Amino acid sequence: EAGVTQSPTHLIKTRGQQATLRCSPISGHTSVYWYQQALGLGLQFLLWYDEGEERNRGNFPPRFSGRQFPNYSSELNVNALELEDSALYLCASSLYGRSSGANVLTFGAGSRLTVL
Amino acid sequence: AQKITQTQPGMFVQEKEAVTLDCTYDTSDPSYGLFWYKQPSSGEMIFLIYQGSYDQQNATEGRYSLNFQKARKSANLVISASQLGDSAMYFCAMRDINTGFQKLVFGTGTRLLVSP
Repeated sequence: EAGVTQSPTHLIKTRGQQATLRCSPISGHTSVYWYQQALGLGLQFLLWYDEGEERNRGNFPPRFSGRQFPNYSSELNVNALELEDSALYLCASSLYGRSSGANVLTFGAGSRLTVL
Repeated sequence: AQKITQTQPGMFVQEKEAVTLDCTYDTSDPSYGLFWYKQPSSGEMIFLIYQGSYDQQNATEGRYSLNFQKARKSANLVISASQLGDSAMYFCAMRDINTGFQKLVFGTGTRLLVSP
């Protein structure tokens, strides 16, 4: 079974540009989550999508946005890039189950965004 | 609001010894799940072990065990017989089950170095 795949692996942009990151979940998983991990820091929750809908959003400005496609893959867009957006962006997927406490998030290897 | 605290920025252990990584949490909800993830230098988050708040016994998975003390709100990870490949960042995370929000809240992590 293929795991969560993310692309690109690395991305270099300059301030003010836009970045698009992509994520393909594990087959059968309907939920996709995006996290930001700045250098030396923990994971900060960005967005959660399920069945094509945005279910929850972290404390990030509106220039961080995304969507989930009918095949459950997802895209994260970051507009008007700033230097502090440089980070590892991790995508995870899971089966959505409200009563399932042990619902494990499976992560991809991440996309490293560098803003110059 | 949920909060995860990992007070050990770094830990050192010799190969074949056991090590305990600390994690305390704070939540007002009676139902929650606790997770530990390992992040090698490659960046991918690897799920290690899960403990539900109502689980009677401490979780174990191979060399990993979780020392769950509900009254103290702690969920320490114990790695027995450390191996060189255990060198990585370790993150404790929790999910609030009742809200239905499937996102995980992560601690800041502990870097474990295993020496020969």
